[in-house]
Amino acid sequence: GAGVSQTPSNKVTEKGKYVELRCDPISGHTALYWYRQSLGQGPEFLIYFQGTGAADDSGLPNDRFFAVRPEGSVSTLKIQRTERGDSAVYLCASSSHPGLEAFFGQGTRLTVV
Amino acid sequence: QQQVKQSPQSLIVQKGGISIINCAYENTAFDYFPWYQQFPGKGPALLIAIRPDVSEKKEGRFTISFNKSAKQFSLHIMDSQPGDSATYFCAASTDSGGYQKVTFGTGTKLQVIP
Repeated sequence: GAGVSQTPSNKVTEKGKYVELRCDPISGHTALYWYRQSLGQGPEFLIYFQGTGAADDSGLPNDRFFAVRPEGSVSTLKIQRTERGDSAVYLCASSSHPGLEAFFGQGTRLTVV
Repeated sequence: QQQVKQSPQSLIVQKGGISIINCAYENTAFDYFPWYQQFPGKGPALLIAIRPDVSEKKEGRFTISFNKSAKQFSLHIMDSQPGDSATYFCAASTDSGGYQKVTFGTGTKLQVIP
């Protein structure tokens, strides 16, 4: 695809369940970022991948959150034992080089009920 | 800890008017200041950006003014149009790690009325 693709667009889950959110970056982009955007707020940095490795995971709020990018392309954000406070839009962005503009996907809206 | 403060929270401007959004930052290590535009249901998109070695940058109807000593910067949208109605985020980052770890403001919802 031409842009960053995130699936699903919407996800409703029950408190305590496990969820996976997928990000397909722009083809050839080596840098990938995850952000979380709560209602009425700006996006907050979660994690940055350069290739397959997580170069900076300082924004992950706690150990229930984990992300992988095994082949240096698609990334999955995993949330265990979801809580209502995890409800937000999770945004993925990619760039062709770490120092260059990152392009955002449309996000996955996660609702924990 | 809010490192980038943004105001106003919302703004209504008549078509043809000037929209002004203000931001202030605390971390003097920031060396890149982008503005993003976000439409409902979409991710943020880079609109215009500035580095602290210049005081102003203009791209079409959009201008960033930057005051390094005051640690403040602002976005001016000239001749505002209804299509400009969106949420605008100021942001800041540092290249110290070789990548852009962006800190966003809280956003300004702009409505341009015909």
